[in-house]
Amino acid sequence: GAVVSQHPSWVICKSGTSVKIECRSLDFQATTMFWYRQFPKQSLMLMATSNEGSKATYEQGVEKDKFLINHASLTLSTLTVTSAHPEDSSFYICSAREVGLPQHFGDGTRLSIL
Amino acid sequence: RKEVEQDPGPFNVPEGATVAFNCTYSNSASQSFFWYRQDCRKEPKLLMSVYSSGNEDGRFTAQLNRASQYISLLIRDSKLSDSATYLCVVNKNTGNQFYFGTGTSLTVIP
Repeated sequence: GAVVSQHPSWVICKSGTSVKIECRSLDFQATTMFWYRQFPKQSLMLMATSNEGSKATYEQGVEKDKFLINHASLTLSTLTVTSAHPEDSSFYICSAREVGLPQHFGDGTRLSIL
Repeated sequence: RKEVEQDPGPFNVPEGATVAFNCTYSNSASQSFFWYRQDCRKEPKLLMSVYSSGNEDGRFTAQLNRASQYISLLIRDSKLSDSATYLCVVNKNTGNQFYFGTGTSLTVIP
């Protein structure tokens, strides 16, 4: 089945650090990938839709300059949390889908900002 | 109004029980519907898609009611391993956006 790989799985950084998270589709080409954030005991909240070769579409309330998304190829999208602060600590999950099929999720990245 | 709404529970049921979850969605033009399962501190995994005619996969039955804009998930003969959070997911008709409910927590008790 389709596999989505996300790296790193856990990051602990000092406040002010920028953190890059990678999301790869391993056995299919994903023209669209999604980035979600999940706070404890809450559901996934869509942050942005990442389209290969074009700018990402951000959901309302998500700062595009804070969360930089790059989708350089059909198998890789990256999310960079710039100048991260403690309030950015969360569980970040990417997903990807083949046309007409449900999305598959990466393992998620636990980000802790001290 | 939220795109997708679910009763967060928790549902605590004995082994062997039947339990049902409902989920409502606000956009009548929504096209695709899914149930995902999420274990604690893990990523969501697709449990099943939901079709208009209803569909069954072993002990799990999913149904869609477009007129009332809700979907349901029925779990029969609950197992301890069914304990998880069940997320209702709806795909809007515009683009590829998927929207998640807050999830319903299920604990199956021995």
